[in-house]
Amino acid sequence: EVQLVESGGGLVQPGRSLRLSCVASGFSFNEYAMHWVRQAPGKGLEWVSGISWNSGDMGYADSVRGRFTISRDNAKNSLYLQMNSLRAEDTALYYCTKADTAIFREDAFDIWGQGTMVTVSS
Amino acid sequence: QAVLTQPSSLSASPGASASLTCTLRSGINVGTSRIYWYQQKPGSPPQYLLRYKSDSDKQQGSGVPSRFSGSKDASANAGILLISGLQSEDEADYYCMIWRSSAWVFGGGTKLTVL
Repeated sequence: EVQLVESGGGLVQPGRSLRLSCVASGFSFNEYAMHWVRQAPGKGLEWVSGISWNSGDMGYADSVRGRFTISRDNAKNSLYLQMNSLRAEDTALYYCTKADTAIFREDAFDIWGQGTMVTVSS
Repeated sequence: QAVLTQPSSLSASPGASASLTCTLRSGINVGTSRIYWYQQKPGSPPQYLLRYKSDSDKQQGSGVPSRFSGSKDASANAGILLISGLQSEDEADYYCMIWRSSAWVFGGGTKLTVL
């Protein structure tokens, strides 16, 4: 069974850091691009960041560029999101998603995890 | 002006068809854009439905019924998700997405009510 399981969310104060993780199973993780997509409570979807299969290319939404860093460890079938200088507006459910291709600039997000909640508040 | 604009809500009757639109901002050509559609039910992650650029460049998500299809309205510069034979289980939020200016962009979503 293809599965993505996120972890690392929680309550954090503004300005602090948090690292999200996503463990993949049931497919060849090292062949596909991966993404993080977030959804604020009661709001729509927002793409956060994506990374190609070999970490050779990655991208960020303007809202997080310079504060968030995406990475992956293909040996551990894992995707990460290091979030620094967190703001209240970063409060959201963060989904890990698998791309349908090796390059993050191409094609759909075909598999989604259940998400991990991040709350930024003092 | 948002990159992708979707009506916030739409209602339709069981058995009928629903046409959900995703209008691209002026200056972005729907004819050259691949448009992706996702369905999200309350308390669940989004599910990939399909991709549509043209009849020769389209993809149905795995296990997605053929009742869901994509098209375009070039005159309106919009992508369309057509759901035929509406069922109560189709009640959900629907999001469109494109790749634009080195980022993936989602529309604001349409809440489809089947009643």
